[in-house]
Amino acid sequence: GAVVSQHPSRVICKSGTSVKIECRSLDFQATTMFWYRQFPKQSLMLMATSNEGSKATYEQGVEKDKFLINHASLTLSTLTVTSAHPEDSSFYICSARRGGAETQYFGPGTRLLVL
Amino acid sequence: KNEVEQSPQNLTAQEGEFITINCSYSVGISALHWLQQHPGGGIVSLFMLSSGKKKHGRLIATINIQEKHSSLHITASHPRDSAVYICAVRSLDAGADGLTFGKGTHLIIQP
Repeated sequence: GAVVSQHPSRVICKSGTSVKIECRSLDFQATTMFWYRQFPKQSLMLMATSNEGSKATYEQGVEKDKFLINHASLTLSTLTVTSAHPEDSSFYICSARRGGAETQYFGPGTRLLVL
Repeated sequence: KNEVEQSPQNLTAQEGEFITINCSYSVGISALHWLQQHPGGGIVSLFMLSSGKKKHGRLIATINIQEKHSSLHITASHPRDSAVYICAVRSLDAGADGLTFGKGTHLIIQP
């Protein structure tokens, strides 16, 4: 099956710093990538949808200036958490989808801890 | 607002038992996904359904579009099936592209 990787798998940073998370589709071209967040014992929540070469579409309540998403190529999307705060500590998961297809392929996730 | 409800929230069973996990949703959908999340957090897509029934190995997924309900069944359950099973739907709403997730069913299969 299709493979999606995320890097880093876990990161600890200080409050106020920025953290970049990469999501790569390794063996297919992902026209659409999604970023999700999961707090402990909660559902995954969609943060934003990004289409290659376009600006990301953010869900209500997600600050676009805080969570910067770049989908510059068909195999790479990045999520940058700017000026991170402890409440941003969460599990961030990306998924990727081929154009016209329904199936999403999920990355392994990135666990972010902001001190 | 689209809501996805799963039941049960937690399920402990003995090895070999037949397992059923249910999912109900509140809006029209274009597709329903069943996902498996392991303790480390990684997610594996098990099924994508828009109608009927699908089978893969010991896993069976069914969907009833009219009743807005889906079930995931595991036959001859095994301890390695222990995981969180998540139902997720893609709404028919124009502009809705991402998935809405249920809270998951935490399944433990005891030897």
